[in-house]
Amino acid sequence: DTEVTQTPKHLVMGMTNKKSLKCEQHMGHRAMYWYKQKAKKPPELMFVYSYEKLSINESVPSRFSPECPNSSLLNLHLHALQPEDSALYLCASSSTGVEQFFGPGTRLTVL
Amino acid sequence: AQSVSQHNHHVILSEAASLELGCNYSYGGTVNLFWYVQYPGQHLQLLLKYFSGDPLVKGIKGFEAEFIKSKFSFNLRKPSVQWSDTAEYFCAGLYGQNFVFGPGTRLSVLP
Repeated sequence: DTEVTQTPKHLVMGMTNKKSLKCEQHMGHRAMYWYKQKAKKPPELMFVYSYEKLSINESVPSRFSPECPNSSLLNLHLHALQPEDSALYLCASSSTGVEQFFGPGTRLTVL
Repeated sequence: AQSVSQHNHHVILSEAASLELGCNYSYGGTVNLFWYVQYPGQHLQLLLKYFSGDPLVKGIKGFEAEFIKSKFSFNLRKPSVQWSDTAEYFCAGLYGQNFVFGPGTRLSVLP
C-alpha cells in the first residue's frame, strides 16, 4: 500500500457543528502533516506529527484540533469553524521527514 | 524568512513547445527542493526532488530541474510539453521541518 487516503472526500458543515477529518497511511511513515489549501493558492502547513507527537503547530486557531492516535492515523477535529475555513485539507506523510506523499484531500465547505 | 517564489502565475504554451518554469528559494542553510504537480481535480504528485549531488535532476514524465546555488534557483524544464501536462506546478523547499510551497504556476497547454 503506497498511498495516503483521506475521508471524507467532501464535507459540508455549519458553524456550530463538530466534525472530523481522517487520514490514513500504511507505508510505515513516522511523520504526518496537515495542510490547508485555498483555491488557486499553495498548500499551507498547519501541523506536523513526528513519531505520533505534535512537533509543529503553525499558529493554527484552536477550532482545529489534530490528533494522532497511532502511527498510521491522523485526525483533524473541527469545531465552531468559520466560512473562511472552507478549503481543501491535505494530509501528507513522510518516512524521512523530507519527501512527502500527499493524499487527495478533503474539500470542506463551512456554511 | 523562509520563502519560495515562482516567476510566472500562468503560462500558456502550444503542444510540443519547450517549458521552463522559474523557482527561487530564500537562503536557509541546507534546503531540500521539490517540484510538485497538481492535475485538475487530483492530488499533489512529486515530479522530482533535489537533496545534494548532481545539480541536474531528472524526474517523472520527462521533467527535469537544475539547481543553481549561486542564483538560489531551481527551475523546472521539459523539452516538449503535451496537452496532458496542463496542471498547477508548485516549487517547494524544506527548511528543517518547515515545508514551504511557492505560490504555484498554472500551465495551460493548447492542443
